[in-house]
Amino acid sequence: GAVVSQHPSRVICKSGTSVKIECRSLDFQATTMFWYRQFPKKSLMLMATSNEGSKATYEQGVEKDKFLINHASLTLSTLTVTSAHPEDSSFYICSASSTGMADTQYFGPGTRLTVL
Amino acid sequence: GESVGLHLPTLSVQEGDNSIINCAYSNSASDYFIWYKQESGKGPQFIIDIRSNMDKRQGQRVTVLLNKTVKHLSLQIAATQPGDSAVYFCAENRNYGGSQGNLIFGKGTKLSVKP
Repeated sequence: GAVVSQHPSRVICKSGTSVKIECRSLDFQATTMFWYRQFPKKSLMLMATSNEGSKATYEQGVEKDKFLINHASLTLSTLTVTSAHPEDSSFYICSASSTGMADTQYFGPGTRLTVL
Repeated sequence: GESVGLHLPTLSVQEGDNSIINCAYSNSASDYFIWYKQESGKGPQFIIDIRSNMDKRQGQRVTVLLNKTVKHLSLQIAATQPGDSAVYFCAENRNYGGSQGNLIFGKGTKLSVKP
């Protein structure tokens, strides 16, 4: 149980375009979803926290107009990287948790974004 | 500032030996800790967790030890196997303003298992 999926797993786009990444909890209802960013050989950095039906809470230094997060249902959250630039290239990982699962976060497999 | 860090960035062990990965944290108010395993190109995988009211917790081949006095956390892997090769992160779960806890990750230790 507690499976989280992400789509796409890899995406290559041109500079200036927008990219949407989906995060789905497959077998549980996620009251909260988290979005992380990870650079090569580095740790995960939390970008934002989203609760279903509410606006996301962004970490300091993360541009909310650049990284649009929507958590429209208890099983789906999306991250849209708007007007992507090469410096946005990274590994984006989501996680999901539920009040019924204590504090445990279950992570998706990640999405590799490459902006040319 | 508050941080969760690791003593060793890399660890190389022989197959069959025991592995110990260490982590230091600085927020004495933290009450929940998790170890994750991350294989190359994949998301973190939950291994084991521990709450601050415990000092030891065992899973299958893994044991987490928590020393609150020195704010130290360790992950012990028994009879390390090649499939254990990965980067291991400790994470501190901290609640902000009553919302779901946010994870603060350490820097990671790369475990390499030699056959």
